[in-house]
Amino acid sequence: DQQVKQNSPSLSVQEGRISILNCDYTNSMFDYFLWYKKYPAEGPTFLISISSIKDKNEDGRFTVFLNKSAKHLSLHIVPSQPGDSAVYFCIYNQGGKLIFGQGTELSVKP
Amino acid sequence: NAGVMQNPRHLVRRRGQEARLRCSPMKGHSHVYWYRQLPEEGLKFMVYLQKENIIDESGMPKERFSAEFPKEGPSILRIQQVVRGDSAAYFCASSLLREGPLDEQFFGPGTRLTVL
Repeated sequence: DQQVKQNSPSLSVQEGRISILNCDYTNSMFDYFLWYKKYPAEGPTFLISISSIKDKNEDGRFTVFLNKSAKHLSLHIVPSQPGDSAVYFCIYNQGGKLIFGQGTELSVKP
Repeated sequence: NAGVMQNPRHLVRRRGQEARLRCSPMKGHSHVYWYRQLPEEGLKFMVYLQKENIIDESGMPKERFSAEFPKEGPSILRIQQVVRGDSAAYFCASSLLREGPLDEQFFGPGTRLTVL
């Protein structure tokens, strides 16, 4: 059973536009989420996090929104750049055990 | 400060052989995690270790897989009698100390295991 779900395996966006990556989770007890980014042949790297006491966290071009009632998160990247092309993972940290979504491959076209 | 190191980067084994994957955490990190990524899937947690201790092995297959993190030297993930289904990318991560969900895990580049 997939506790963290990213239903879009891929997303293509034009440079300069907004990228929106979505994530749903099943357990209402989940209270701290992470987004990691992964380039080919590299390990994932931390991007941004959010805890359930907030509904939004912003870091430069990256903003994560949390809707607890819908058990839904989204990552917004604006403006998108070609260097943002990567696989993005939505993750729940269960006491050091990271529970990954399947990932969404973002492609930003120049 | 060097990042998390994993070697080898690529490993080819025949069915029935043993695979040993090594992970050197970032300097000063005493917590190591192993994850496996099968094709077209996200990473799946396998095991969490501190120096000389296994903290959580709930993601480890019951047979053929073992992990250790000795007092000196790298962490080792060992797969005995490999089968084709073990073909995957294996990632190691390390963190400084465990303070709950605020710990950032730093990942290595992974070892891609191919079983012929």
